[in-house]
Amino acid sequence: DVKVTQSSRYLVKRTGEKVFLECVQDMDHENMFWYRQDPGLGLRLIYFSYDVKMKEKGDIPEGYSVSREKKERFSLILESASTNQTSMYLCASSPRELGSALNQPQHFGDGTRLSIL
Amino acid sequence: DQQVKQNSPSLSVQEGRISILNCDYTNSMFDYFLWYKKYPAEGPTFLISISSIKDKNEDGRFTVFLNKSAKHLSLHIVPSQPGDSAVYFCAASGTLLPTGANSKLTFGKGITLSVRP
Repeated sequence: DVKVTQSSRYLVKRTGEKVFLECVQDMDHENMFWYRQDPGLGLRLIYFSYDVKMKEKGDIPEGYSVSREKKERFSLILESASTNQTSMYLCASSPRELGSALNQPQHFGDGTRLSIL
Repeated sequence: DQQVKQNSPSLSVQEGRISILNCDYTNSMFDYFLWYKKYPAEGPTFLISISSIKDKNEDGRFTVFLNKSAKHLSLHIVPSQPGDSAVYFCAASGTLLPTGANSKLTFGKGITLSVRP
């Protein structure tokens, strides 16, 4: 079974802090993703990576950066946290060829509830 | 511009009855569609998917129907159970898009399903 592990379930930080969210997957997946979920807005893609050291902007990358130094680990960085970044953050992974065989979807971690005070 | 739309934010059904969750998409490059289920404080879990070469896929109580000409898909849950109460996200991907883009999922905003005992 695929396991995507996010380092924290709940996190409270202060405005202006640099925040690191860590995600590890154990299925040797090429692709990894960071989303945020907000009420009424669904899941919005922040950044994704389809290989080590590769990154692509998603739909809402402003205020965030990412790091993928190892295949199994994908980090999301809030350079200077602001209150509008209070949200549920979700990490996901998938094989490179999503959909090349059915039932190779993205697998999600349990999320990090981040509060910026 | 929303490419995947779930126009009804909520649905309430009686236990034992059918739940029908609808989803519309606008991007003709999408050819792989998925449904995810999400409980509060947990990550989304994959439910069922369908490729554009099919118009129906069934897995136990869950059936997804795809109408390509209308760019519409629906998830049927029969019979509905109280444990099905959750937020359901529709997602789409274009598997023939270039590397990177073909791994992205575009999500709808979700539908909150409540199944009354």
